[in-house]
Amino acid sequence: EAGVTQFPSHSVIEKGQTVTLRCDPISGHDNLYWYRRVMGKEIKFLLHFVKESKQDESGMPNNRFLAERTGGTYSTLKVQPAELEDSGVYFCASSLGRLAPDTQYFGPGTRLTVL
Amino acid sequence: QKEVEQDPGPLSVPEGAIVSLNCTYSNSAFQYFMWYRQYSRKGPELLMYTYSSGNKEDGRFTAQVDKSSKYISLFIRDSQPSDSATYLCAMSAKSNYQLIWGAGTKLIIKP
Repeated sequence: EAGVTQFPSHSVIEKGQTVTLRCDPISGHDNLYWYRRVMGKEIKFLLHFVKESKQDESGMPNNRFLAERTGGTYSTLKVQPAELEDSGVYFCASSLGRLAPDTQYFGPGTRLTVL
Repeated sequence: QKEVEQDPGPLSVPEGAIVSLNCTYSNSAFQYFMWYRQYSRKGPELLMYTYSSGNKEDGRFTAQVDKSSKYISLFIRDSQPSDSATYLCAMSAKSNYQLIWGAGTKLIIKP
């Protein structure tokens, strides 16, 4: 069974540009999470989808970040316009959501560098 | 103050040693406790998952949770060079909920 996939693996953009990150969860997983790790800091939660609905977006840093989950399948995270402090590794995770405890499976991450 | 404290290391031990990794936390609402392993340029991979207090064993790995002290541990027996990675603790107040992470401890097992 394929795991969580993320695209691209690495993105280098200039300040002010737009970048869109994509996450494909494990098939059948209703829950999808985005996390971010900036240099020297802990991994931080960004938001949580249940199917196509945003369950919790309390970790989104500001309105330059927009997340969508089309039809409850893959998700995109758009940063517009990108700032230097947005650099970091963006992880996506998915889980079934029907069991307790509910295991979150992580993708390899997208490394974003804003110059 | 951070919600979860974890020594970033690095922690270097010889092959075959017993490794002890720890996290402390401040939020008494945490009920679910996890240990993830992360190799370089990869995503975190779940190793152990414990609900509430107690011990859990899986092969060479043992996870302990002491909620009264707000302290969790991961023990690795008969450590191998392939265990060299960053170990992250994570916890949450509910299932199906955001994870709160420690900084991760970089572990190096010397052959």
